[in-house]
Amino acid sequence: NAGVTQTPKFRVLKTGQSMTLLCAQDMNHEYMYWYRQDPGMGLRLIHYSVGEGTTAKGEVPDGYNVSRLKKQNFLLGLESAAPSQTSVYFCASSGVRGLEQYFGPGTRLTVT
Amino acid sequence: SQKIEQNSEALNIQEGKTATLTCNYTNYSPAYLQWYRQDPGRGPVFLLLIRENEKEKRKERLKVTFDTTLKQSLFHITASQPADSATYLCALDINAGNNRKLIWGLGTSLAVNP
Repeated sequence: NAGVTQTPKFRVLKTGQSMTLLCAQDMNHEYMYWYRQDPGMGLRLIHYSVGEGTTAKGEVPDGYNVSRLKKQNFLLGLESAAPSQTSVYFCASSGVRGLEQYFGPGTRLTVT
Repeated sequence: SQKIEQNSEALNIQEGKTATLTCNYTNYSPAYLQWYRQDPGRGPVFLLLIRENEKEKRKERLKVTFDTTLKQSLFHITASQPADSATYLCALDINAGNNRKLIWGLGTSLAVNP
C-alpha cells in the first residue's frame, strides 16, 4: 500500500496563478483533509471531506477550493495564488473522523 | 481563550533515558487526545490515541497519560534512541457546537544524543 500520496512535492507560483494539488489514498478511508503548516502556527485545517462527493470548510478555507469526485482522491485548488499562501500543504485521511490520521509527504508551495 | 500548549523549547536527552513531553490545554473538554511524530520534511505519523476515560495507554516503548482534571497529557519514550529524535505533536479532539474539531499543538522537538 502506498498510503497517502501527494503531487507535486514542490511548486513555485507567481501571484495570481492557479494550481491544483492532488491527494490520493489507497486505504479506502471515508475522511480526507487538507492542512497547511506554517512556522509558529501549527497545522491548520483548510477543508475536509466526510465521503465521496462531499466537502466542508475547515479553519482557514479562504482562497482555496476542493473537490472529492472519487473516494480515493481529494483535490485542493488555488484559483489566484497569493504570497500568504506560501506554506507546506499536507493531505491526510482517516477511517474515523479526526482520529488516527494518515498524512501524505507534503507539498512545499512558494508564491512570489 | 482556548489553547493547547507543548514545550516550546527543544528537549535534549541522553540515549537510554526516558523522554517526557507535555501537552497542556485550557478550556477544552476533549473526547480524545492523540500524539503524532513528525520528522523534518515529512508529514506527521500517528502514534497513540487516548480517550477521556482512559488514564494511561502503552505501545511498545511509548506511554501516554491523560489527566482531565489537570488538563494535561504526558508522552513518555522509554529507553530512548537517537532514531526517536523528531518533533512530537499532540492533538485534541473536541466538540465545537454541532461539530467535532481537532486542535493541534505546535509540537516539541526531541533530540536524543548517542
